[in-house]
Parts: sequence; C-alpha cells; structure tokens
Amino acid sequence: SAVISQKPSRDICQRGTSLTIQCQVDSQVTMMFWYRQQPGQSLTLIATANQGSEATYESGFVIDKFPISRPNLTFSTLTVSNMSPEDSSIYLCSVRGDSNEKLFFGSGTQLSVL
Amino acid sequence: GNSVTQMEGPVTLSEEAFLTINCTYTATGYPSLFWYVQYPGEGLQLLLKATKADDKGSNKGFEATYRKETTSFHLEKGSVQVSDSAVYFCALQPSNDYKLSFGAGTTVTVRA
Repeated sequence: SAVISQKPSRDICQRGTSLTIQCQVDSQVTMMFWYRQQPGQSLTLIATANQGSEATYESGFVIDKFPISRPNLTFSTLTVSNMSPEDSSIYLCSVRGDSNEKLFFGSGTQLSVL
Repeated sequence: GNSVTQMEGPVTLSEEAFLTINCTYTATGYPSLFWYVQYPGEGLQLLLKATKADDKGSNKGFEATYRKETTSFHLEKGSVQVSDSAVYFCALQPSNDYKLSFGAGTTVTVRA
C-alpha cells in the first residue's frame, strides 16, 4: 500500500491568487494523478504527473491554469492559478499501486475561493 | 465514451438495515469495476473490486457482483453500522486504459 500526505487540507483564498497543493508519497511510484471533485459531482481527472517530463492534461484542463511539478518519484505539486469562485472544489492526489489497478488517494484539499 | 451512473443520495438508514447502492456503467470491452469509500475527513480508499463478468467483490460485509448483461455493479450490505457512514463511489477502468471514471458518489448516513 501507499501512504499519501497531502497539504494543505483546506484553504480559503481570494479571487486572482494562486494556491500550490503538495502531495508526498511514502514510496516511489511511477504514476501520480490529480483529480478535482466539484460540489455534488464525481471525481474528474485533471492530469497525470510524470516524473522528468511535462504533465499530461485531460480535455478541459491546461497547464497555464493548473501547472504541475513532479521533481521525483515521491512528490508532486498542483498549482491552481488565478483562482475564481468556480475553482472551489476538493483537489485529490492519487497514485497507482503495484497491481496497476488499485489507486491510493490523499485526503484531499478543500479549496474555497471568495 | 466510458461513464458511471450511480444512485443519487443522500441515503439515511438505521443501524442493521439493508443497504443497496445502484451503479450502472457504459464502456466498451471488459472494464474493471470498483467501489471506493470516503470516510469523513479521509481520502478515498478501495472497498472492493471485480475484474470480469460474474466476479463478486467483497470486503467488510459489502458485496458487489459484476453483471455484464445489465452493465451493473450494485453495492450491498446486509446490516449496516454507524461506522459505515461515508461517501461511496463506483468507478470503472477500461481494459485498454489506466484512467478511472467515477460516479458522482452516494452519501450514506447510518443512525444508531
């Protein structure tokens, strides 16, 4: 199993500012993912964070708005840039386990933008 | 495309009641199916899974059977406890992709 530490757990931010969310894993993992969970909706994959190369973004998400870093196999950051109230969501870090099927999740970052 | 539709909540039950959360899916081929659970203040964790038709996943008294003919993976538990209060997510992984598609989640509250 993988233990994921994600921080901050929650934050309240002003419109136009940026927030960086950190994700630390207790073991080396190849694939790390960032999800968004908007109020009352399902989880939506934002991007796959690749070590040593640029992240792969899903349709509707762009690097300028959600820049991602992946400096090594145990750590990643997601930045939510130039925030607006529509960015208010839970953001979740996830990694894939050895079985290549099972996902492990961090506890999430509850973001509120005023 | 791939999608998951699950029963809307919230669901409120009394202890020892029977719980069913419906989940149906749309996918090509033979996806793997999952139920994830999110307890208050925690991250999602895998509850059970099934990787082929007629498989039954089970864990902590919960069960779900992969029904290809009805494209369903309903979650059931015969006697719920207060500690089962959580949000439950149905998810699928296509056979040819690593990405998961999630349902909207169902909030379950069990009263003593």
